[in-house]
Amino acid sequence: GAGVSQSPRYKVAKRGQDVALRCDPISGHVSLFWYQQALGQGPEFLTYFQNEAQLDKSGLPSDRFFAERPEGSVSTLKIQRTQQEDSAVYLCASSVGRTGNEQFFGPGTRLTVL
Amino acid sequence: QKEVEQDPGPLSVPEGAIVSLNCTYSNSAFQYFMWYRQYSRKGPELLMYTYSSGNKEDGRFTAQVDKSSKYISLFIRDSQPSDSATYLCAMVKRVPGDKLIFGTGTRLQVFP
Repeated sequence: GAGVSQSPRYKVAKRGQDVALRCDPISGHVSLFWYQQALGQGPEFLTYFQNEAQLDKSGLPSDRFFAERPEGSVSTLKIQRTQQEDSAVYLCASSVGRTGNEQFFGPGTRLTVL
Repeated sequence: QKEVEQDPGPLSVPEGAIVSLNCTYSNSAFQYFMWYRQYSRKGPELLMYTYSSGNKEDGRFTAQVDKSSKYISLFIRDSQPSDSATYLCAMVKRVPGDKLIFGTGTRLQVFP
């Protein structure tokens, strides 16, 4: 595709529900990042993949957050037992990885936990 | 204290004005500096990407980096209403594949 796509664009969950957010990076991009953006704030790093390997998960706020990229392309961010403080926009970004670090962002998934 | 500080604004200017947006940072390990523009309910869009101290120009946009002062700026000349958005500075310590550290973003409104 032409850019990074994410689905769903909007997700409303009841507290305690599990959610799964999908990211389709730009074809051929080795690196994939997840960020969390709270209202009125800049994005904050969650986790990073190089191909299928999760090289950095230091930004995941709790063990309720889990991310995977099993075939080195599409990635899924899963949040278990959602809490109200998980309400945010979840952004995915990809980059070529080997030769540069310009990161290209998707439109984000806006998660609202009631 | 955050690693990257950015005035959240909002900043309101008339069409045609020169806009100056700024960020300071505390960690001298940052090597690469970016400016992103984010429209409401959209993802950030890369505007400028710089490495060395000095100026980089692209059309109406100029990015300035002063590593000795740990200060970066984005100037927008002849601002247009379509420039109304949130501007995020971001920086990274190494390539490739390092995480971006963002400022909080400055909301800019350009009125006709």
